[in-house]
Amino acid sequence: DAGVIQSPRHEVTEMGQEVTLRCKPISGHNSLFWYRQTMMRGLELLIYFNNNVPIDDSGMPEDRFSAKMPNASFSTLKIQPSEPRDSAVYFCASRSNVGRYSNQPQHFGDGTRLSIL
Amino acid sequence: QQPVQSPQAVILREGEDAVINCSSSKALYSVHWYRQKHGEAPVFLMILLKGGEQKGHEKISASFNEKKQQSSLYLTASQLSYSGTYFCGTEKGRSGGGADGLTFGKGTHLIIQP
Repeated sequence: DAGVIQSPRHEVTEMGQEVTLRCKPISGHNSLFWYRQTMMRGLELLIYFNNNVPIDDSGMPEDRFSAKMPNASFSTLKIQPSEPRDSAVYFCASRSNVGRYSNQPQHFGDGTRLSIL
Repeated sequence: QQPVQSPQAVILREGEDAVINCSSSKALYSVHWYRQKHGEAPVFLMILLKGGEQKGHEKISASFNEKKQQSSLYLTASQLSYSGTYFCGTEKGRSGGGADGLTFGKGTHLIIQP
């Protein structure tokens, strides 16, 4: 089975440019999570969706960040305008959620390594 | 609040045992353990649900003390392949049901030497 697919794997761009990261969750998973990993702050939850609906975006650092999930098989994380401090590895994860509580694991994609110059 | 992991780093010889601890100041529904190797994505190891459950995976097991809001990961007879950074991720659970995001600790770096 295909895992979580993220694109691009690497992105290098100049400050001020718009950056769009993409994620395709595992088929059948109805929860999707965006995380950011840096040396300083570790692995942080940015936003997550249940059944395509954003549930908690309190981890989104600034208004420059936005995320969408137009359908069950696709999500984007956009940064506009980008800044050097946005440089990090961005992970997307998905999970199957059935019932009130789920004991299913989150499966991570390979991540997008973003460098803002 | 971010869970606190200890120790920050461990260096072991192959075959030795290790314990990694994770504690939270908030009531938890579950604790998730992941291992990440350099340049790779976190890989799921196990989930501990409230109820003091202890689970095992190969020579890796874990426990969850709901009252103390603590979890421990036990690595027995460590192998070279166990090297990496171990993260615990805590989940509060949502009153309305549905999946919740994970709050991760800063990680424990484990180095296994031959």
